[in-house]
Amino acid sequence: AQKVTQAQTEISVVEKEDVTLDCVYETRDTTYYLFWYKQPPSGELVFLIRRNSFDEQNEISGRYSWNFQKSTSSFNFTITASQVVDSAVYFCALSEGANFGNEKLTFGTGTRLTIIP
Amino acid sequence: DSGVTQTPKHLITATGQRVTLRCSPRSGDLSVYWYQQSLDQGLQFLIQYYNGEERAKGNILERFSAQQFPDLHSELNLSSLELGDSALYFCASSVEGEGRDEQYFGPGTRLTVT
Repeated sequence: AQKVTQAQTEISVVEKEDVTLDCVYETRDTTYYLFWYKQPPSGELVFLIRRNSFDEQNEISGRYSWNFQKSTSSFNFTITASQVVDSAVYFCALSEGANFGNEKLTFGTGTRLTIIP
Repeated sequence: DSGVTQTPKHLITATGQRVTLRCSPRSGDLSVYWYQQSLDQGLQFLIQYYNGEERAKGNILERFSAQQFPDLHSELNLSSLELGDSALYFCASSVEGEGRDEQYFGPGTRLTVT
């Protein structure tokens, strides 16, 4: 069975500091997909990134970067030079997409990030 | 704006009642997913439809049912409501319903059962 663990329940940092959100996953499949979503105070879930299990290249998008390491089953998310608008709950999610009918997202419990001005 | 719409935004009802939540997927998306977000259970997958057919079921109670119509909009029916059903219900859609597809989420329907 698939599982996603976000051990950090809450993190607070001062604006402009860098912060890393951890995500550890469990799956028996060799083909799977990892996602990060952001849930700001307004409540909607915003897609940030998708990674497939065959692509371990790190990705950078502006102030956001993601580090995928299969050896440790981790898919960590770093925000550089944090801003108040980054305050939100961040969810890591896993999809075992190789099997028909198993495309659902399994979410971690989320990390609440607060950026202090 | 994800392009996924959900109505109503808020719903307050009493125990024992029945409600219907509605979702319209993004234009061109064939697959619709329903998720429940509650304080004690977190974000949980309920059910998935692809082009009108049920594709996968998660932790969906027997009191809950869903369907996807020919125009691809979906409805989630919740009956015999209990206090514990109070939650934020999200609909998401994706192009093909495959695991590699991003799922785009609607704004959610906040259900309060009193």
